[in-house]
Amino acid sequence: DAKTTQPNSMESNEEEPVHLPCNHSTISGTDYIHWYRQLPSQGPEYVIHGLTSNVNNRMASLAIAEDRKSSTLILHRATLRDAAVYYCFDYNQGGKLIFGQGTELSVKP
Amino acid sequence: DAMVIQNPRYQVTQFGKPVTLSCSQTLNHNVMYWYQQKSSQAPKLLFHYYDKDFNNEADTPDNFQSRRPNTSFCFLDIRSPGLGDAAMYLCATSTAGGRTGELFFGEGSRLTVL
Repeated sequence: DAKTTQPNSMESNEEEPVHLPCNHSTISGTDYIHWYRQLPSQGPEYVIHGLTSNVNNRMASLAIAEDRKSSTLILHRATLRDAAVYYCFDYNQGGKLIFGQGTELSVKP
Repeated sequence: DAMVIQNPRYQVTQFGKPVTLSCSQTLNHNVMYWYQQKSSQAPKLLFHYYDKDFNNEADTPDNFQSRRPNTSFCFLDIRSPGLGDAAMYLCATSTAGGRTGELFFGEGSRLTVL
C-alpha cells in the first residue's frame, strides 16, 4: 500500500493560517490525494480530496504539487476546534484507506 | 443525524470473554470497514467488506472475526479478548467507485478488557 509521510506535530496560533505538508513519494497516477482529521475522542472525518488541481471547500484548501509528490492542506484561519490529528492518504477509489501516523495540530489561543 | 452508528459506545469485558461490536449505516454504502485504534496510535485496518466479499488484512489476528448479514449492518466479534485488544474500534463505510471515495466513520466503540 502507498505510504505518505507527515511531520509528527505542528503548532499554530488561533486565527492564523496553517499549512500542513504531506509527501506522497509512491503515489500512482490514478490515486487521489485525501485528507482526513480526527478530533479528540471522535472518529476520523473527511476534510478534502483532489487529483491534480488545487481544491477548496468550506473546511480547507488543498494545494497539490505539479508532480503530485507533495500536497499541503491549508486551514485559512485556525480555530481551537481545528486542534486534531490530520492524516493524508494516497487513495485509489474503491481501495482501502491505510492510516499513517498523521500530524497532531495544536492551536494556541 | 448520525449516518454510521456504532454500539455500544463503551464496552467492558473480562479477559477471554467474547464480545461483539455492531455497526449500522443509513447510507446504503456497499463497503464497510473495521479499524482498531489503540491509545495514541493511528487507526489500523482489520478487514473490510465489499458487498458480501470479506477482505481480511494479512496481519489481523484470527481472534477477530466479522459478519455482515445485510448491507446496513456489520459486526466485529472478538472471540477471546486479551488485554492487548483494549482499543477504540471504528467502523467506516464508503461507496466503492463513488465520486469522492469519502469514508464515513462512526464515533467508535471503546473496549476495555479487565
